[in-house]
Amino acid sequence: GAGVSQSPSNKVTEKGKDVELRCDPISGHTALYWYRQSLGQGLEFLIYFQGNSAPDKSGLPSDRFSAERTGGSVSTLTIQRTQQEDSAVYLCASSPRTGGNPSYNSPLHFGNGTRLTVT
Amino acid sequence: GNSVTQMEGPVTLSEEAFLTINCTYTATGYPSLFWYVQYPGEGLQLLLKATKADDKGSNKGFEATYRKETTSFHLEKGSVQVSDSAVYFCALSVSGGSNYKLTFGKGTLLTVNP
Repeated sequence: GAGVSQSPSNKVTEKGKDVELRCDPISGHTALYWYRQSLGQGLEFLIYFQGNSAPDKSGLPSDRFSAERTGGSVSTLTIQRTQQEDSAVYLCASSPRTGGNPSYNSPLHFGNGTRLTVT
Repeated sequence: GNSVTQMEGPVTLSEEAFLTINCTYTATGYPSLFWYVQYPGEGLQLLLKATKADDKGSNKGFEATYRKETTSFHLEKGSVQVSDSAVYFCALSVSGGSNYKLTFGKGTLLTVNP
């Protein structure tokens, strides 16, 4: 079946421009996560959605980063006034669990990511 | 806070060699432990997990045992194949509070040569 889909797969942008990254989770998955994978840094948690609300935005690095989710489905991560340090692979994941710890029985399903390069 | 430390790569092995990738953790609370794998050009996928001390997770010939006394979750495979070449991530999640977050290690690149 269809997995988590992210677009674009690659994005090159100039410093100072805004970018939007899109995530289509697996149909029916209520939980959605954004992570960032930087060279040598592993995966950093950015934000978590349960339905359309974001109970935890604590991983967003600065106020230039924002995310929304509509219809309990598609999510968009927006980075304003991009900086070179924003260059990374941005990963989206979804999970079917609606509460409790989604990791115990419902592992996160990851997309292939968007590779963002800020020049 | 929560953190995961795994051995730095890259690791290069010949086919049929024995693999160990070390992983240790610190956690506030009682964590569940995971290994995720990222094959070239693909997204991360769960390889195995263990949710309590002394549990052994296993999948595709890989194993890892949850050792609370040494706060470790080392990944092992007795005989690696070329198709095992990938990046391996150790991760944890702690129940209670923000318990949906996975905390990842930095990843270990494994290359298996024929």
